[in-house]
Amino acid sequence: TQLLEQSPQFLSIQEGENLTVYCNSSSVFSSLQWYRQEPGEGPVLLVTVVTGGEVKKLKRLTFQFGDARKDSSLHITAAQPGDTGLYLCAANNAGNMLTFGGGTRLMVKP
Amino acid sequence: ETGVTQTPRHLVMGMTNKKSLKCEQHLGHNAMYWYKQSAKKPLELMFVYSLEERVENNSVPSRFSPECPNSSHLFLHLHTLQPEDSALYLCASSQSAGGLYNSPLHFGNGTRLTVT
Repeated sequence: TQLLEQSPQFLSIQEGENLTVYCNSSSVFSSLQWYRQEPGEGPVLLVTVVTGGEVKKLKRLTFQFGDARKDSSLHITAAQPGDTGLYLCAANNAGNMLTFGGGTRLMVKP
Repeated sequence: ETGVTQTPRHLVMGMTNKKSLKCEQHLGHNAMYWYKQSAKKPLELMFVYSLEERVENNSVPSRFSPECPNSSHLFLHLHTLQPEDSALYLCASSQSAGGLYNSPLHFGNGTRLTVT
């Protein structure tokens, strides 16, 4: 069983602040995905990282895959209320089904 | 209509009822999934179908019975459920099974199920 631990579980910040959330495991993954789930909706894919050390940017969001492909981080610059939601990481090894972490619930207050 | 559509959005049922959840995808994908999302627990994979054949059954109780009549439709038949089965049930699809980097999951908005 591949266990993905996300931290923190909950985060409440003011608009304009920066934040980083983490996704950690003791297993090595072939790829890792980040999803965001807004209230009343299903998760939506934000990014997929494949190469160890890879960094991807999506506007104010920066995603990094660890060099050993065991962990990942998501950094949000100047958070906005529209960033509020549940952030989920998911990973797999080739041929296996995705395993999801428990998520980080982010609230950005105006 | 595009994407993944789930009906109903909300369902309240007694423990002796029989009901079905429906999922339809308009993305031309070959794989479909049922996930269970409970409070304080990670998303739990229940079933995976690839080209209408079940390829994964994650030790789900028999009171949950999936059906995939074609690659666009997926059902979850429910009978004699327990209160602890109350959760958000999410359907997803992907181009191929596994949710690999070149085949990410596309989720519906879920059915919020309450068992009384």
